[in-house]
Amino acid sequence: GQQVMQIPQYQHVQEGEDFTTYCNSSTTLSNIQWYKQRPGGHPVFLIQLVKSGEVKKQKRLTFQFGEAKKNSSLHITATQTTDVGTYFCADLYNNNDMRFGAGTRLTVKP
Amino acid sequence: GAVVSQHPSRVICKSGTSVKIECRSLDFQATTMFWYRQFPKQSLMLMATSNEGSKATYEQGVEKDKFLINHASLTLSTLTVTSAHPEDSSFYICSARDQGTGRQFFGPGTRLTVL
Repeated sequence: GQQVMQIPQYQHVQEGEDFTTYCNSSTTLSNIQWYKQRPGGHPVFLIQLVKSGEVKKQKRLTFQFGEAKKNSSLHITATQTTDVGTYFCADLYNNNDMRFGAGTRLTVKP
Repeated sequence: GAVVSQHPSRVICKSGTSVKIECRSLDFQATTMFWYRQFPKQSLMLMATSNEGSKATYEQGVEKDKFLINHASLTLSTLTVTSAHPEDSSFYICSARDQGTGRQFFGPGTRLTVL
């Protein structure tokens, strides 16, 4: 079946460096949701992207939805130790079903 | 990569009946599994945390007598929706935490429709 591929699996950065995680699909994605899960915590909803080419920003976080709606990315500028966690993308399809990527675990060295 | 399965993927039932949903980790052991519910056009919401060999921990507002959770083995957790009503219709998704790596993997979800 359709899968949402998320890369990289792990990313270790120095504090202040940028970070990007990508979600890709061989078929068109419907709506993309991004979640952040802190170590020991549970996924927390960050944002939803719906439109082709959509770009949304939340402070240092920039979310993009590809023009063909087959990929999405989350970019963090100048990472901080508080950014540590696993970032998941999820495709919201058939109106209400969800399909998650495997997540990208981010660690930040102070 | 690690795989989590859910069964059934879709179920339609009559009001008043009970429905059991299975969540299995196929290639890793999961001492902890999580059950989520997704309301239409909304984000995922945690219902309960399932721990192998012990009682589940329910989030505030989730009725434990209505949503029965059993985590009998390191690879299987079940969610039973008892006396289902139309308002229970939703998308239920589980995730499993790999005991070895600590990573969490999501299942494909179960679409429940109660008539």
